[in-house]
Formats: sequence, structure tokens, C-alpha cells
Amino acid sequence: GESVGLHLPTLSVQEGDNSIINCAYSNSASDYFIWYKQESGKGPQFIIDIRSNMDKRQGQRVTVLLNKTVKHLSLQIAATQPGDSAVYFCAESTGFQKLVFGTGTRLLVSP
Amino acid sequence: DTEVTQTPKHLVMGMTNKKSLKCEQHMGHRAMYWYKQKAKKPPELMFVYSYEKLSINESVPSRFSPECPNSSLLNLHLHALQPEDSALYLCASSQEGNSPLHFGNGTRLTVT
Repeated sequence: GESVGLHLPTLSVQEGDNSIINCAYSNSASDYFIWYKQESGKGPQFIIDIRSNMDKRQGQRVTVLLNKTVKHLSLQIAATQPGDSAVYFCAESTGFQKLVFGTGTRLLVSP
Repeated sequence: DTEVTQTPKHLVMGMTNKKSLKCEQHMGHRAMYWYKQKAKKPPELMFVYSYEKLSINESVPSRFSPECPNSSLLNLHLHALQPEDSALYLCASSQEGNSPLHFGNGTRLTVT
């Protein structure tokens, strides 16, 4: 069945470090992937997305890498700030408006 | 602030009550979604509306009844809920095809 999972439930970093959050997916038919950030008491906030015809996409301080061979997705955050502390979810879609979320990683940034 | 507005922010209801959750977006999106999120868990898809028609129902119990009155509004009618239905209910909208979902901040529902 479909499943999206994360290797690390909690990631603790120092302010200024680079953070890498990983995600494994199992549905080889998935062709669209999104990273969301969720802060306490709020809904998920879109960070960056990537389609399956790409292997890398960059945004402001964030980079998403997609390795279809091993069904792996990662989110890199450069110069992590305390405001980046949140739960991060990867999500995958097969293009039929069915977005499946992974289990989530909590990022803790200490000053 | 989010462009998807959900009301109420908090709701406490008894198991015999009938209540409704409301969601509104003005981004011109034609797909709207309901997700349920339990504490420390990822959001789980419940329903998808596309062009005001129900396109996906993830085997949700009939005590949850969605409604899409027009392209900007999405309701979730609740009746005879159970305490285990207590959760954060998230509404989202998106353009058609592979595009990001925009989420509201949810309604925190407690069933007593």
C-alpha cells in the first residue's frame, strides 16, 4: 500500500547550522511531492514542491532533493533559525488530488 | 494569516449534538479538501471536492457529512460523533492537477 515515512522523528540543531530532514516513500507511481511546515496551533504551511521529472529544486534557504531510484526525498534548510522550529511533513501525490502525508519530523533549533 | 478561513476555531460538542464546520477560500481554487489530524500525527484525508462535486470519500463514517454550496465554501456537518472523533479538522484548497494545497488553521473539535 501507499506509505510515506520519515527516518528521524526529532532533529535538534544549533542556530546557524544546516538541517536535513529525510523522507522515504513507497509508491513508485507518485509524481508530485511537497514539504510542509506545521507550527503549533496552525495548519500546514507550504514550503516547497517538486515534480518527479526533477531531482532538485531550490527556494529561499530551502532545497528539496528527490531520488526516485531509492524513493527518497529530503529537505535541506540552510542557516537554520529559531523560527524554523516546527514539525515538517513530506507528502506525496499520484496526481488524483490524493495527497498522503508522512509521519513528520520535529525540528528543534536552539540559539 | 492564511487565505483559507475556518470557523469556528474551537468547538466542544456532545455526542448527541449536531454542528457544522465551515471553510472559505477566495483564491479561485476549484478543489477543496477536508483532513483530520490527531495529536502528533500527520493529517489524514477525508474528502475531496472538485468543481463542487464530491470526488473522493476516504471511507469516512456517515456521521461526517460534507457539503460544497459553491466554489468558495466547504462545510462539514457533524452528527452523533464519538469522543474518538476529537481532533483538528483542516480544510484546504488547491488548483486542479498537481499543485500545492493551501491549508486553513483548522477547527479544534472536542467531543464529550
